[in-house]
Amino acid sequence: DADVTQTPRNRITKTGKRIMLECSQTKGHDRMYWYRQDPGLGLRLIYYSFDVKDINKGEISDGYSVSRQAQAKFSLSLESAIPNQTALYFCATQIGSQAFFGQGTRLTVV
Amino acid sequence: AQSVAQPEDQVNVAEGNPLTVKCTYSVSGNPYLFWYVQYPNRGLQFLLKYITGDNLVKGSYGFEAEFNKSQTSFHLKKPSALVSDSALYFCAVRDLGYGGSQGNLIFGKGTKLSVKP
Repeated sequence: DADVTQTPRNRITKTGKRIMLECSQTKGHDRMYWYRQDPGLGLRLIYYSFDVKDINKGEISDGYSVSRQAQAKFSLSLESAIPNQTALYFCATQIGSQAFFGQGTRLTVV
Repeated sequence: AQSVAQPEDQVNVAEGNPLTVKCTYSVSGNPYLFWYVQYPNRGLQFLLKYITGDNLVKGSYGFEAEFNKSQTSFHLKKPSALVSDSALYFCAVRDLGYGGSQGNLIFGKGTKLSVKP
């Protein structure tokens, strides 16, 4: 089993719909992250969390929200999806300087 | 502010030839530098890191990277490329700032490596 698991792996949704991407980890790490990957833009940080009570915005948090339900779970929500949120989304944990990534969720907003 | 730059969007190499994927950094202080690889339909995987010590660091899958402080570079290298090395490679630096983002990784835009038989 993967240490960092993202669900769903692929999702197509309509403009204006609310959608949640889920992430769970078995590594016991406190730091968790949500990134967005777009061709030519690399990885951009959406939100990050250092523990259940510590949530922080990244460089592109507008249009997104997160919930850290437990140390092991960190969910990303799009309250009202729009087409330019079509991207590959990654969840990651981090211990020290090393990050561990999930396999990604490919989201398409039509 | 800390940053990394990967000047090449794509690098093409013939199998068996040496490969280099370039990365330059901009940090205030001593940098913590990383390389990650992303194979198709997979998440990023850690390859190697430089924290301190020897300027040549060795990592997974036969890769190595050379830290050059005077040129502010951290290029990824491999003496003999394999077709299976074809992937997207990301350079990263640890945020050394004093705010809440301290310790976060800042990624470059990625370089696509294509190794042809």
